[in-house]
Amino acid sequence: DVKVTQSSRYLVKRTGEKVFLECVQDMDHENMFWYRQDPGLGLRLIYFSYDVKMKEKGDIPEGYSVSREKKERFSLILESASTNQTSMYLCASSFGLADEQFFGPGTRLTVL
Amino acid sequence: SQQGEEDPQALSIQEGENATMNCSYKTSINNLQWYRQNSGRGLVHLILIRSNEREKHSGRLRVTLDTSKKSSSLLITASRAADTASYFCATDAGEYGNKLVFGAGTILRVKS
Repeated sequence: DVKVTQSSRYLVKRTGEKVFLECVQDMDHENMFWYRQDPGLGLRLIYFSYDVKMKEKGDIPEGYSVSREKKERFSLILESASTNQTSMYLCASSFGLADEQFFGPGTRLTVL
Repeated sequence: SQQGEEDPQALSIQEGENATMNCSYKTSINNLQWYRQNSGRGLVHLILIRSNEREKHSGRLRVTLDTSKKSSSLLITASRAADTASYFCATDAGEYGNKLVFGAGTILRVKS
């Protein structure tokens, strides 16, 4: 059974903290994605990666960075968390960049 | 940027009825996908339809694509309470068609 896992389901952090969200996939997919989901806005792409150590900015990269040191793992980093980064964060992976994506369960992050 | 826009935003029906959701998009596509999201969870892929296809079926799901009108519809027949979820369309947009762009979704509630 294919699987994308995310390190936390719920996370509460303080303004200014550095936050790491981790995502692991077991499907040997080349491509991995980080989205944030806010009510009424759907999913917005933050960053994606098409290979180890390769990354591309999505639509809303400001305030975020990513790391992909191993094929199966893609991390999202909030260097200095702010309250407007309170959101649901979803990780996904796929074979081709525009192919079917497999999603993790999501991390609901609250920044106080 | 939102490529796909779903209509209606919310839909409430009785169990056993059919549910139809629509998606409109702005630019040329290679494929269009539909996903389901149960409350507070990750997205699950339902069906992918390519630009040279007009209709596709999967169980109780029927998807149509009209590239001349830049629109797609998802029909769920004989709905069940378990179909209660948000439904999103996604198109392979982006400058190089190298990413999926999701709409804001339709919230479907099936009353038993």
